[in-house]
Amino acid sequence: EAQVTQNPRYLITVTGKKLTVTCSQNMNHEYMSWYRQDPGLGLRQIYYSMNVEVTDKGDVPEGYKVSRKEKRNFPLILESPSPNQTSLYFCASSFEVGGGRAGELFFGEGSRLTVL
Amino acid sequence: AQSVSQHNHHVILSEAASLELGCNYSYGGTVNLFWYVQYPGQHLQLLLKYFSGDPLVKGIKGFEAEFIKSKFSFNLRKPSVQWSDTAEYFCAVNGYSSASKIIFGSGTRLSIRP
Repeated sequence: EAQVTQNPRYLITVTGKKLTVTCSQNMNHEYMSWYRQDPGLGLRQIYYSMNVEVTDKGDVPEGYKVSRKEKRNFPLILESPSPNQTSLYFCASSFEVGGGRAGELFFGEGSRLTVL
Repeated sequence: AQSVSQHNHHVILSEAASLELGCNYSYGGTVNLFWYVQYPGQHLQLLLKYFSGDPLVKGIKGFEAEFIKSKFSFNLRKPSVQWSDTAEYFCAVNGYSSASKIIFGSGTRLSIRP
């Protein structure tokens, strides 16, 4: 079954304790992206990756890191989480983005993070 | 810069009522347009998409959207809503020359009274 898998789904942590949210897709998609969803603000892009070893900042990258060492995985790293990073996070992937063939985004189930 | 505006934050309708959700975008070039739906407690799913051709696009579950280039709009419509349409709806834009960015609107929460 084609899917995007995120872990953990729920996490409560404390300020400053490094954490990683994993994301894996089994559709051989080149494009992967992380979004955070906050009430009234919709989805805002954190980081994206066009392919292995190619990553770039989205609209709200501060406080986050990513890596893309393998095509299927795109972990989101919070080196020193702060309470303003409390949010619902979604990973998404697509076959192709941009130009005339922007593809459908496939989303993971979401990871609800609370930073105390 | 790309941006997407959804002016209706919360819409409440009765079953069988007609629906139109507004979406306006800002981008100085050719765009791809999307509507995604998020049912309560679930992840986003694609409802419909516009790449080119017929500006009236039909999606799943009886939804359709019309791309009006002169108005920079891509409004979502459904002739008769059902209780199961209760969800949050997001409009999204991807500019042809902006290979990486799919920008989402802030979403419209739709509540259907049975």
